[in-house]
Amino acid sequence: SAVISQKPSRDICQRGTSLTIQCQVDSQVTMMFWYRQQPGQSLTLIATANQGSEATYESGFVIDKFPISRPNLTFSTLTVSNMSPEDSSIYLCSVEKGAGDQQFFGPGTRLTVL
Amino acid sequence: AQSVTQPDIHITVSEGASLELRCNYSYGATPYLFWYVQSPGQGLQLLLKYFSGDTLVQGIKGFEAEFKRSQSSFNLRKPSVHWSDAAEYFCAVGLTDSWGKFQFGAGTQVVVTP
Repeated sequence: SAVISQKPSRDICQRGTSLTIQCQVDSQVTMMFWYRQQPGQSLTLIATANQGSEATYESGFVIDKFPISRPNLTFSTLTVSNMSPEDSSIYLCSVEKGAGDQQFFGPGTRLTVL
Repeated sequence: AQSVTQPDIHITVSEGASLELRCNYSYGATPYLFWYVQSPGQGLQLLLKYFSGDTLVQGIKGFEAEFKRSQSSFNLRKPSVHWSDAAEYFCAVGLTDSWGKFQFGAGTQVVVTP
């Protein structure tokens, strides 16, 4: 299994500022992902965090808005830049161990932008 | 393009009654299928998954799901619900060409009445 922690668990931020969310895993994992869950919505994949290289973004998400780092196999950060109220969401880190059959999600970071 | 449809946004069920949540998918290849549950303020918890083999899959908390290729469905069932089953349930397709990436359905909110 994998135990995932995220910091912060929640935050309230002002419009125009940026927030960096941390994701820490208790063991080395191959794949790490970031998802967004907007209020009352399902989960949408933002990007794949690649260790040692630039993240791979899904359609509709760009690096300038959601820069991602992954310095090693147990840690990743997601920054939500120049925030607007539309960025208010739960942001979840996810990891995959094995051949697609072991997927784990973090507890999420609840972000409110005023 | 792949998609996951959960036709029921909201279901109300009496405690002790049976529950069935519908999920239909559209995917070019053989899908990997998952059901997750998200309780209020909690992270995502995997209920069960289907990769191959027996099309009736048993999961945790007394849930089961049946994969029907001819109907492109993966419906979740529980014979007798408990008040603690009140939560949001997400069906997801795992993208076999990209391990660890999911396409989620919109979710079904389950309310359990006494």
